Amino acid sequence: EVQLVESGGGLVQPGRSLRLSCAASGFSFDDYAMHWVRQAPGKGLEWVSGISWTSDTIDYADSVKGRFTISRDNAKNSLYLQMNSLRAEDTALYYCVKDLCSTSCFYFQHWGQGTLVTVSS
Amino acid sequence: DIQMTQSPSSLSASIGDRVTITCRASQSISSYLHWYQQKPRKAPKLLIYVASSLQSGVPSRFSGSGSGTDFTLTISSLQPEDFATYYCQQSYSTPTFGQGTKLEIK
Repeated sequence: EVQLVESGGGLVQPGRSLRLSCAASGFSFDDYAMHWVRQAPGKGLEWVSGISWTSDTIDYADSVKGRFTISRDNAKNSLYLQMNSLRAEDTALYYCVKDLCSTSCFYFQHWGQGTLVTVSS
Repeated sequence: DIQMTQSPSSLSASIGDRVTITCRASQSISSYLHWYQQKPRKAPKLLIYVASSLQSGVPSRFSGSGSGTDFTLTISSLQPEDFATYYCQQSYSTPTFGQGTKLEIK
């Protein structure tokens, strides 16, 4: 069974940093692209960033480009999101998501339960 | 970015009803359209990918159709567990989602 468990969320002040982690199990992690998708409270879904299986291809939404960095450690079956210069509008539940493909085809096949990031002073 | 517009935004229906949700893209996206179901306080679940392919384990009462700019998700006979919010998403370019359709019990 595919399991994706996010951690690292919390309350942080504007301008500060936070690092999210996602522990994957139940599938060959190094065979698939991975993504972060977020959902602001009571709002819809927004794709944030994606990374291919080899980390060769990395994409970001314009809203986070230059502030967020996605990475993965295939040896540890883990996905990360380093979030810098956080803003109030980054407040959301952040989901770790497994792609259907090895390169990013953006078919979001499996989702974790999310970790909540709240940016507030 | 490609804009995705769903209609209606909310919908009331009864058990056993046939329900259709539509999704329109701001430009042609071929068949790169996917549908998700999200229940309250739960993560989204992939139902349909590339417009009409049923994800493994999803009941056959769910179906999808369309290509280009106009797509539909149909639930042939509503079951109690189908009341949820549904999102479409395109993967033709930088992925974007529709605003969601909340399906409620009449």
